[in-house]
Amino acid sequence: GDSVTQMEGPVTLSEEAFLTINCTYTATGYPSLFWYVQYPGEGLQLLLKATKADDKGSNKGFEATYRKETTSFHLEKGSVQVSDSAVYFCALSDRHDYKLSFGAGTTVTVRA
Amino acid sequence: KAGVTQTPRYLIKTRGQQVTLSCSPISGHRSVSWYQQTPGQGLQFLFEYFSETQRNKGNFPGRFSGRQFSNSRSEMNVSTLELGDSALYLCASSPGTSGIQETQYFGPGTRLLVL
Repeated sequence: GDSVTQMEGPVTLSEEAFLTINCTYTATGYPSLFWYVQYPGEGLQLLLKATKADDKGSNKGFEATYRKETTSFHLEKGSVQVSDSAVYFCALSDRHDYKLSFGAGTTVTVRA
Repeated sequence: KAGVTQTPRYLIKTRGQQVTLSCSPISGHRSVSWYQQTPGQGLQFLFEYFSETQRNKGNFPGRFSGRQFSNSRSEMNVSTLELGDSALYLCASSPGTSGIQETQYFGPGTRLLVL
């Protein structure tokens, strides 16, 4: 079945550091891939997405490239801020069933 | 456009009771999905409704049920509550017609505590 594997957290960084969160997936078809972010006490917000191989999603300084050959969708940001502290979820949508399969989430804390 | 709204935001129940949660999707969205989020199991898909019909169901016991109304609003019901049902229940909406490329937009969730 479909599955998403994210790097274990928590991740603690200093402001202006480089952030990478690894995400790999297993799917039967050609899924769409998403990164969602969850701030404390809130629901999930879409951060970015990519719907086909080699697509790059980007938003708020975050980027991720859909790599079919390595089945990966790693999230990166060049210079993090304290406001980027949150839990980040990698997810995929496959088989046209409107079901998202999520990774376990990675907690990121950015210190001033 | 207003986002996805969920009511109530917080709920405390005791074992054996039942609970109903409500979700109003973004205007024009006809697909509503429900997810359960717990520290141990993460985010798990419960079910998805489109035009008042359940199109997809996750691997949860029959105590978990849902429905959708003609205005696309949805409710989920959990009967005979167990301690393990304590979780954040998230609702998400999307147009429901574009398949895997669609973005699901999430509400703030209902936090259920079962004592």
